[in-house]
Amino acid sequence: DTGVSQDPRHKITKRGQNVTFRCDPISEHNRLYWYRQTLGQGPEFLTYFQNEAQLEKSRLLSDRFSAERPKGSFSTLEIQRTEQGDSAMYLCASSSRTGDQPQHFGDGTRLSIL
Amino acid sequence: DQQVKQNSPSLSVQEGRISILNCDYTNSMFDYFLWYKKYPAEGPTFLISISSIKDKNEDGRFTVFLNKSAKHLSLHIVPSQPGDSAVYFCAASARGAGSYQLTFGKGTKLSVIP
Repeated sequence: DTGVSQDPRHKITKRGQNVTFRCDPISEHNRLYWYRQTLGQGPEFLTYFQNEAQLEKSRLLSDRFSAERPKGSFSTLEIQRTEQGDSAMYLCASSSRTGDQPQHFGDGTRLSIL
Repeated sequence: DQQVKQNSPSLSVQEGRISILNCDYTNSMFDYFLWYKKYPAEGPTFLISISSIKDKNEDGRFTVFLNKSAKHLSLHIVPSQPGDSAVYFCAASARGAGSYQLTFGKGTKLSVIP
């Protein structure tokens, strides 16, 4: 059990550029979640996958955001035409389907928009 | 409209004493509650959880109490240690309603003074 892995840890980009983040969940966790956290706030839910199916999406996930989990393992989160307001920590979490299992988080990708 | 509220932004406690962190929620559909600890530059780390069918759950030095009628939960840490100094987040989900997303409070920064 190597934990949830996120790549890159930091991303600095210019406004208007596209960025993509990757998340590798704990092996055999079939549920995967994306959250966004800004300064002074708790994490805010973006979207949730069970295996490869995207089952929940927040209204925070505008049409510039897209998430995929093509084979039910790793996931990617893409932001197109980045804006200043996209600067945040993007957190990925995973959990097992069985019972009352908590979500386990990665260390996040910090996105800074110049 | 915050559905999970942590009204104390910060708390200072002497080493060896009890730390009590509080959390209130407004959504009556929430039925699963969790506490996470977060150090700077790391993702949230799961501490302890409680289902709405219980009113208390213990794990070592950590105990979570749930008062459903008051829509209130608390985390007790006894005895407090300097390594407990971190930001603590309360989170909730409405699993019975088929939603696995976590709704977080804004966090309470705990400082344990040696």
